[in-house]
Amino acid sequence: AQSVTQLGSHVSVSEGALVLLRCNYSSSVPPYLFWYVQYPNQGLQLLLKYTSAATLVKGINGFEAEFKKSETSFHLTKPSAHMSDAAEYFCAVSQGGFNKFYFGSGTKLNVKP
Amino acid sequence: DADVTQTPRNRITKTGKRIMLECSQTKGHDRMYWYRQDPGLGLRLIYYSFDVKDINKGEISDGYSVSRQAQAKFSLSLESAIPNQTALYFCATTGNRGDTEAFFGQGTRLTVV
Repeated sequence: AQSVTQLGSHVSVSEGALVLLRCNYSSSVPPYLFWYVQYPNQGLQLLLKYTSAATLVKGINGFEAEFKKSETSFHLTKPSAHMSDAAEYFCAVSQGGFNKFYFGSGTKLNVKP
Repeated sequence: DADVTQTPRNRITKTGKRIMLECSQTKGHDRMYWYRQDPGLGLRLIYYSFDVKDINKGEISDGYSVSRQAQAKFSLSLESAIPNQTALYFCATTGNRGDTEAFFGQGTRLTVV
């Protein structure tokens, strides 16, 4: 069975500060990992994905995430937050053939001026 | 045009009524999904379909049914709506490979009064 844990339902940072959103997964086999962003009143948009190539994955809008197998983590980071980054972020895991996505509970990012 | 289109975008219905949410996709994918989003709970899988003849229950299928009318169309029905089915519903589609991301519709906000 798989599960995804996102620590912190709300994260608040100042504009220009580092963004760190945490995601830990449990999986019996190597997973595929994804980060999605949801802006208000919109669907989910893919930020980046890990598919067993490079462990450091770069995504859109300056975000990146590092897959750490030993820590079963896939934390999302951005060096400098922008006001437009305010949104809800979801970590998701998929396990190959059956390709069912399991989502974390989400983290709302607030960016203060 | 959007890759995944959901109709309606918003709906208010009364307890006990039957309601159908529709989803169509232009990605040419075989796999389609219905998720429900509630605050603090992330996205939970209701039903998924890997092709036109394949329908599977997800985590929270009780009170819901689905129909896969064609490769591009997947509808979700609430046979007798109840207030705790008030939520944001998302349709998604993926390719057959495990490492392919999900493409989401804009969501249907359903309120059961």
